[in-house]
Amino acid sequence: EAGVAQSPRYKIIEKRQSVAFWCNPISGHATLYWYQQILGQGPKLLIQFQNNGVVDDSQLPKDRFSAERLKGVDSTLKIQPAKLEDSAVYLCASSSTGRRSYEQYFGPGTRLTVT
Amino acid sequence: GQQLNQSPQSMFIQEGEDVSMNCTSSSIFNTWLWYKQEPGEGPVLLIALYKAGELTSNGRLTAQFGITRKDSFLNISASIPSDVGIYFCAGRSGGSNYKLTFGKGTLLTVNP
Repeated sequence: EAGVAQSPRYKIIEKRQSVAFWCNPISGHATLYWYQQILGQGPKLLIQFQNNGVVDDSQLPKDRFSAERLKGVDSTLKIQPAKLEDSAVYLCASSSTGRRSYEQYFGPGTRLTVT
Repeated sequence: GQQLNQSPQSMFIQEGEDVSMNCTSSSIFNTWLWYKQEPGEGPVLLIALYKAGELTSNGRLTAQFGITRKDSFLNISASIPSDVGIYFCAGRSGGSNYKLTFGKGTLLTVNP
């Protein structure tokens, strides 16, 4: 079974530029999550999708961050405009439904550096 | 919001030694998960715990769901160099929300 795929793996941009990240979850996983992980910290949830609907986006800075999962499969996370403090690893995770729905499986992440 | 306290923050041990780390919370959790993260990679799920008092093993790893439901423990026996990484605990408070709260991690270094 293929894992969660993310691209790009690395991105360097200047502040005020825009950037987009892509995620393809494990096949059949209905729930998809985007996390931000700042160096030295645990992952922090930005947004959670159930199929193509948003379940929780309470910690998403909506003035600059947006995310979509139009067909209920892959997803994109966008930052526009980027700030220096957005430098972090952006992780995508997915989980199935049913008994093991609380087990989240992570992709390799995208390391963003904002200069 | 909910916070998880992981300890110790870091550990430096000799190959072959056993390791213990724990995670505590001020509030009750219904699910505890333990992850390992290596440099440049995403967290990998090691063990999931669903019931207070539950003790679950995965090879040399053993994790326990505390009976108060406010803590969890991870033990690694006979450590090897490839155990190096950051170990995170994560908890889910309950209901239909799948949201996980993560600790800050324990950095494990194993000296061959």
